Amino acid sequence: GENVEQHPSTLSVQEGDSAVIKCTYSDSASNYFPWYKQELGKRPQLIIDIRSNVGEKKDQRIAVTLNKTAKHFSLHITETQPEDSAVYFCAATIGNQGGKLIFGQGTELSVKP
Amino acid sequence: GAVVSQHPSWVICKSGTSVKIECRSLDFQATTMFWYRQFPKQSLMLMATSNEGSKATYEQGVEKDKFLINHASLTLSTLTVTSAHPEDSSFYICSAKGPTNTGELFFGEGSRLTVL
Repeated sequence: GENVEQHPSTLSVQEGDSAVIKCTYSDSASNYFPWYKQELGKRPQLIIDIRSNVGEKKDQRIAVTLNKTAKHFSLHITETQPEDSAVYFCAATIGNQGGKLIFGQGTELSVKP
Repeated sequence: GAVVSQHPSWVICKSGTSVKIECRSLDFQATTMFWYRQFPKQSLMLMATSNEGSKATYEQGVEKDKFLINHASLTLSTLTVTSAHPEDSSFYICSAKGPTNTGELFFGEGSRLTVL
């Protein structure tokens, strides 16, 4: 079946450094790729998303790139801050199945002051 | 806008009992909702797609007779965990497709189920 692979599972960076999280997807019909930040016991929060007709999107310190040919997309966080520490999930829609999202395994990001 | 509320936020029950979790779209109509389950330190696993006025579609490996889903109105979907066992203890999260066709999903707060 369709799946989304996410790496790394844990990432530790120094405050001010950049963090990069990568995902690959299997369904070539996927057309929407959101990224979520989840704090312990809370709901996932959408931080940025990208559609298949766009290669890159940026929102302040956060950017996402998409390579449709290779079927991978990445999250880039620059100038990391301790409050960026959380678990981050990538996701991809499954073909044309009405918005159904499959999530990656998650990356636990730790930003050390 | 596009607020999804889930209730209860946490529940403890005895093994063998049933538990109902509600997911409501507060300021929009949601014809489609999704139910996810998340075990500690794991990802969100899609359980089923809930469609208003029709039967839910379950993902492979999810028992439809154990996880009953009802989407009787455009603002409410319910998940009932029947004959709960300790291994059903998990964080259950619902989400709904928003009012605009952006693809974005809006998540409920989640419900922490503990089965003793």
